[in-house]
Amino acid sequence: DADVTQTPRNRITKTGKRIMLECSQTKGHDRMYWYRQDPGLGLQLIYYSFDVKDINKGEISDGYSVSRQAQAKFSLSLESAIPNQTALYFCATSAGPRETQYFGPGTRLLVL
Amino acid sequence: AQKVTQAQTEISVVEKEDVTLDCVYETRDTTYYLFWYKQPPSGELVFLIRRNSFDEQNEISGRYSWNFQKSTSSFNFTITASQVVDSAVYFCALSERGDSGYALNFGKGTSLLVTP
Repeated sequence: DADVTQTPRNRITKTGKRIMLECSQTKGHDRMYWYRQDPGLGLQLIYYSFDVKDINKGEISDGYSVSRQAQAKFSLSLESAIPNQTALYFCATSAGPRETQYFGPGTRLLVL
Repeated sequence: AQKVTQAQTEISVVEKEDVTLDCVYETRDTTYYLFWYKQPPSGELVFLIRRNSFDEQNEISGRYSWNFQKSTSSFNFTITASQVVDSAVYFCALSERGDSGYALNFGKGTSLLVTP
């Protein structure tokens, strides 16, 4: 079984809808991250969490919110989806601040 | 400002050729970490290597090798005797203390196409 899982893997939604992307990990890592990837660009950090009680905004947090329900679960919500949030979303985890980040398989989101 | 620059947007080679992917980074920290990830057409991100700023030894893993040079702020990746399965987008990334506690700063990626 994969160490970092994301659900759903693909999602189509309409402008204005609220959606949630979920991430779960079995690696026992404290740190979790959400990134988005747009075509031809690298990944940009949306939010990150050092533990259940510590959540921080990344460089592109506007229009997004997160919830760290447990050490193993970190959810990303789009409160009111808009077309320019169409992207590939990745969750990642790491054991510590200097450790390697391991990525989930990604969620492809299309906002119509 | 872009912290990680991958100047090569796309590279196309014929199978068995050697290919080098360039990565130049920018940081003021003395302690930082550099990474390479591979993103095959299926879309997942696969970790390839992590290097800390105090270790300038070159690394070789099978057909892959990495050349880290602090003097030129570069961390280049070479694939020897390329294969079709190497076709992917390769990302170089920098992790530094910064405002986001060692989150990754990614380059824009180099798309490598290896043709038979």
